[in-house]
Amino acid sequence: GESVGLHLPTLSVQEGDNSIINCAYSNSASDYFIWYKQESGKGPQFIIDIRSNMDKRQGQRVTVLLNKTVKHLSLQIAATQPGDSAVYFCAENIRSNYQLIWGAGTKLIIKP
Amino acid sequence: DAGITQSPRHKVTETGTPVTLRCHQTENHRYMYWYRQDPGHGLRLIHYSYGVKDTDKGEVSDGYSVSRSKTEDFLLTLESATSSQTSVYFCAISLGTVNSPLHFGNGTRLTVT
Repeated sequence: GESVGLHLPTLSVQEGDNSIINCAYSNSASDYFIWYKQESGKGPQFIIDIRSNMDKRQGQRVTVLLNKTVKHLSLQIAATQPGDSAVYFCAENIRSNYQLIWGAGTKLIIKP
Repeated sequence: DAGITQSPRHKVTETGTPVTLRCHQTENHRYMYWYRQDPGHGLRLIHYSYGVKDTDKGEVSDGYSVSRSKTEDFLLTLESATSSQTSVYFCAISLGTVNSPLHFGNGTRLTVT
């Protein structure tokens, strides 16, 4: 079946640098995408979302980019901090279906 | 945490026993979900509810049932627990319509021995 996947399972970034976490999706019918952050022992925490009629959306220190041509989603975190260490998940929703399809996650490690 | 409480936080049970996990929300939201999280699989939807007594199956519903008799409570039951159901279970609520972010509880770690 179609699914959301991630290019890199682990990403190590120097503190203060920008982080880019990538996600590929295969279903062209997907119209809503979300990024979540999950810290150890906690549930996923919503970061930012984007609808398919947009290419870019910015939040506080985060930016999500959507490239529908190549079915690619990315999360950019500016000035990465130790508190950004977590596993990051992308998820997609297909045409108002109730079921989100989740990627397997990317672990972000911050080097001091 | 959007007012979501999951109980218990940890449980160890034996194969073949029934288990019920509880999700309680204080926000009066319509949509509630049960997910399981396993290494290498991300989160997978078990069941969801779109109102009192209105529930439907997710992608991994076999071996699970749910009930929602009140807006604030969504129960997940394993009728006869198996070792393959050892997992971390997350409840989530949706704050708006279906294309709205989900907000999650802190999970229940279930071990079936």
